[in-house]
Amino acid sequence: KAGVTQTPRYLIKTRGQQVTLSCSPISGHRSVSWYQQTPGQGLQFLFEYFSETQRNKGNFPGRFSGRQFSNSRSEMNVSTLELGDSALYLCASSLGGTGGMNTEAFFGQGTRLTVV
Amino acid sequence: DAKTTQPPSMDCAEGRAANLPCNHSTISGNEYVYWYRQIHSQGPQYIIHGLKNNETNEMASLIITEDRKSSTLILPHATLRDTAVYYCIARSWESNFGNEKLTFGTGTRLTIIP
Repeated sequence: KAGVTQTPRYLIKTRGQQVTLSCSPISGHRSVSWYQQTPGQGLQFLFEYFSETQRNKGNFPGRFSGRQFSNSRSEMNVSTLELGDSALYLCASSLGGTGGMNTEAFFGQGTRLTVV
Repeated sequence: DAKTTQPPSMDCAEGRAANLPCNHSTISGNEYVYWYRQIHSQGPQYIIHGLKNNETNEMASLIITEDRKSSTLILPHATLRDTAVYYCIARSWESNFGNEKLTFGTGTRLTIIP
């Protein structure tokens, strides 16, 4: 079956602009998580959506936001871009079970964002 | 989630078993041990996870000590394509809510030597 698809793969934006990244999870997966990866900070959790609701949130400023649609696809938005937002943004999908299920996450190839 | 400690780098000869250690001395009873790897510039790839029993799949084996304070990921016959950063993650499970968050450390950079 198809894996996690992230678009676009590469993006160059100017400081102060905003950007929207997209993630299509594996069919049947209801949970989508977003991560930021930079050389200095490594892989950091941004937030997770499950059934269109944000269920968990990392320690990032409010400029980072997201949403999930009824088909489980998710978007991540960063407003007022800063140079430090240059990073690889990764999306992971999982079944997202509750009530005792423990599931593994599958990652997309990421979107590499460069802010100039 | 419990903090995990891994050596920053390791080398292994091609064809030999690669044994990657992970320390998680403060792990709690509801925390699983997960292993992911990341090949350069790609998204992390799930390898295996376990709670207290040893686990094996087509990629690797996971050995968890009886006291659960440490574990070892074993790649039985390492190939050049196994060169990657390997992350050991302790992930808690909240039975009524779920928890998909993965807390990545700095991992172990494994280099397979021809």
